[in-house]
Amino acid sequence: TQLLEQSPQFLSIQEGENLTVYCNSSSVFSSLQWYRQEPGEGPVLLVTVVTGGEVKKLKRLTFQFGDARKDSSLHITAAQPGDTGLYLCAGQDDKIIFGKGTRLHILP
Amino acid sequence: NAGVTQTPKFQVLKTGQSMTLQCAQDMNHNSMYWYRQDPGMGLRLIYYSASEGTTDKGEVPNGYNVSRLNKREFSLRLESAAPSQTSVYFCASSESGGFGGYTFGSGTRLTVV
Repeated sequence: TQLLEQSPQFLSIQEGENLTVYCNSSSVFSSLQWYRQEPGEGPVLLVTVVTGGEVKKLKRLTFQFGDARKDSSLHITAAQPGDTGLYLCAGQDDKIIFGKGTRLHILP
Repeated sequence: NAGVTQTPKFQVLKTGQSMTLQCAQDMNHNSMYWYRQDPGMGLRLIYYSASEGTTDKGEVPNGYNVSRLNKREFSLRLESAAPSQTSVYFCASSESGGFGGYTFGSGTRLTVV
């Protein structure tokens, strides 16, 4: 059974700090997606990474796909209250599986 | 640019009642999905439809049925609701296979008492 483990489960930091959250698996994926979910809403796709070692940037968010395509990280620089939310990773092979998410809270 | 539209937004049912959750997408996507999201359990796939005219079971299909009415619409039916079906339900759509990612609706919060 493929599993995606996300860490940490919860993270609360001050505005302006940097943070990294992780998404790990023992399985290889053809692509990996990151979503952000705000309270009362559905997840919204942030990025898809496809190639091992690939790095994508979305303003202050940097996404990296591991060389072996088994893991990924999301780094946020100078976190802002608007970054608060649940961050989900999803790995795709013949099907998509979701991690349980990292709940991030940025304190003003 | 509506994306994926789910109705209703909230619903309270009594045990044993039935209801249908509606979902429609306007992106001409081939594939559609129903998930439930529970605290500590993450998103779990109930049913999916890879293309119009096909449906398949996901991880947690028991107690649910689906209908892919046409390319746009994919409904989820609870025939006899149980308290264990209290959850937030999300519909999603994607290009075939979901390689480019999913577009989710805003969810239906269902409480079964």
